[in-house]
Amino acid sequence: GQQLNQSPQSMFIQEGEDVSMNCTSSSIFNTWLWYKQEPGEGPVLLIALYKAGELTSNGRLTAQFGITRKDSFLNISASIPSDVGIYFCAGRHSGGSNYKLTFGKGTLLTVNP
Amino acid sequence: NAGVTQTPKFQVLKTGQSMTLQCAQDMNHEYMSWYRQDPGMGLRLIHYSVGAGITDQGEVPNGYNVSRSTTEDFPLRLLSAAPSQTSVYFCATGGGAFIRGYTFGSGTRLTVV
Repeated sequence: GQQLNQSPQSMFIQEGEDVSMNCTSSSIFNTWLWYKQEPGEGPVLLIALYKAGELTSNGRLTAQFGITRKDSFLNISASIPSDVGIYFCAGRHSGGSNYKLTFGKGTLLTVNP
Repeated sequence: NAGVTQTPKFQVLKTGQSMTLQCAQDMNHEYMSWYRQDPGMGLRLIHYSVGAGITDQGEVPNGYNVSRSTTEDFPLRLLSAAPSQTSVYFCATGGGAFIRGYTFGSGTRLTVV
């Protein structure tokens, strides 16, 4: 089946630092989604991207839909302790069913105050 | 508006016992699914349903049964629990054009001893 390679697997950073993570696929996606999962909770949607090259922000978070349509990036600026969690990318394969999403394995972010 | 409700939040089972994890949604979503989350493995799809009376297997269906008799409910049944089924289980739903991806429940943490 479709696979997404998400990296890095984990990050340990100091408060105030910027964070970058990405997802890549061997096939083309027509939608990219970024979720955050806080401890003890389910993933929650942060940002949705629908067009190649699209750059979308949500507060200190910025995500981009890669121009090749095979990758996406999430940046977090000036990290704070509440940014801790697992960040998942998800994509919808071009030509696939609307309901079928493929998930990356997640990036575990730890922020040291 | 409750969204996606999962019960119970925590459960401990003995090997061989059976149980049902409940998932209920009030968003009129046609798509419902079950994932399990294990460290380093990301989210793995167990079963899914695209509407009442329709179910299909995901990536890791063995040991689990589902049924979808109503739009609102999608229970996951463990017939004979095994320690390998110790995990955190998430119900995820979606609908319409799925432009916002899935809405996740808050999870059920299951331990099989």
